[in-house]
Amino acid sequence: EPEVTQTPSHQVTQMGQEVILRCVPISNHLYFYWYRQILGQKVEFLVSFYNNEISEKSEIFDDQFSVERPDGSNFTLKIRSTKLEDSAMYFCASSRLAGPNQPQHFGDGTRLSIL
Amino acid sequence: QKEVEQDPGPLSVPEGAIVSLNCTYSNSAFQYFMWYRQYSRKGPELLMYTYSSGNKEDGRFTAQVDKSSKYISLFIRDSQPSDSATYLCAMPLGNTDKLIFGTGTRLQVFP
Repeated sequence: EPEVTQTPSHQVTQMGQEVILRCVPISNHLYFYWYRQILGQKVEFLVSFYNNEISEKSEIFDDQFSVERPDGSNFTLKIRSTKLEDSAMYFCASSRLAGPNQPQHFGDGTRLSIL
Repeated sequence: QKEVEQDPGPLSVPEGAIVSLNCTYSNSAFQYFMWYRQYSRKGPELLMYTYSSGNKEDGRFTAQVDKSSKYISLFIRDSQPSDSATYLCAMPLGNTDKLIFGTGTRLQVFP
């Protein structure tokens, strides 16, 4: 069964550094998402992306964050000037179509640790 | 008031038991309701989704929605140790793709 893959599984970065989290969505999916989960807290929506544009973003997704689809298969989340509070699990998800009734398929996440 | 609430558990049951997992929500605009299962160190895996009120069954799993009470449930029949995981309810906000998650309920099924 096709799946969303994320790399790396664990990323350790010094505070203030830039980090890029990578995702390969399911191949025939057109809509892409990033969520994060701080330890012990809820999974939170960050951003949705379609047709090389951000469709929607949360208040968490400020100028520190950016997303890109650099080629036909990868979808990336860049975090500039990382802070301690950016430490979390970051999940990528994709769906074939848009809309509230379309299932989103999640990857296994990247654990980001900021030191 | 939090938008989506779940009892975090843990809920510990013997193998074969019927499990009831629940969520309450505050936003009456929620129309679709999803249940995800998350194993340790894995991403959320979609189990079921339902639209509006009523029941939906899939194998040992039944999802139930009561919009008048703003209450949704997931029932697991004949629970197995492999069902041990965290169960997350999630709802798209309005007509968007933005999923609002509950905190998740950790379930442990012991042999």
